[in-house]
Amino acid sequence: EPEVTQTPSHQVTQMGQEVILRCVPISNHLYFYWYRQILGQKVEFLVSFYNNEISEKSEIFDDQFSVERPDGSNFTLKIRSTKLEDSAMYFCASSRLAGRNGELFFGEGSRLTVL
Amino acid sequence: AQSVSQHNHHVILSEAASLELGCNYSYGGTVNLFWYVQYPGQHLQLLLKYFSGDPLVKGIKGFEAEFIKSKFSFNLRKPSVQWSDTAEYFCAVKAGRNQGGKLIFGQGTELSVKP
Repeated sequence: EPEVTQTPSHQVTQMGQEVILRCVPISNHLYFYWYRQILGQKVEFLVSFYNNEISEKSEIFDDQFSVERPDGSNFTLKIRSTKLEDSAMYFCASSRLAGRNGELFFGEGSRLTVL
Repeated sequence: AQSVSQHNHHVILSEAASLELGCNYSYGGTVNLFWYVQYPGQHLQLLLKYFSGDPLVKGIKGFEAEFIKSKFSFNLRKPSVQWSDTAEYFCAVKAGRNQGGKLIFGQGTELSVKP
């Protein structure tokens, strides 16, 4: 069964460092998403991406964040200068369709710890 | 703004007990509703979804949920839980005309089933 894969599973970084989280969505999917979950809190939407551009982003997704689909398979989330409060589990998701029938398939998550 | 609330943070049950996890959302228009499960160390998986039609929805592994529009609720049920149901359960909503894929999650309910 096809699945969304994410790397790394866990990354520890120093405050102020750049981090890139990688995702390989399901191959025939067109819509891509990043979510995050700070420990003990809700899963929060960060950004959605379609046709090589951001289609929607939350207020969390400020100038420190960027997303890219550098080739036909990877979908990356970059945090330019990490802050302590960026420590969270980051989930990538993809869907074949948007709208009502767009079931999201999630990866296992990348845990980011900022020291 | 749309929001989703799950009534219980942590539920502890014995095997064979019945389960009901509460979920309420705030949005007055058309919604799509989802329950996701995250087993320890694994990715978010879709348990079931409601788009339209019969408000009683059956999902995988014996789970079901009932959409009650008047109560803005979508509670998850299982008549007899098993130890393997130990996981975190997330209710999620897609709402609004622009249902471009953005899911709004509840804070999650951790279910622990004692053998």
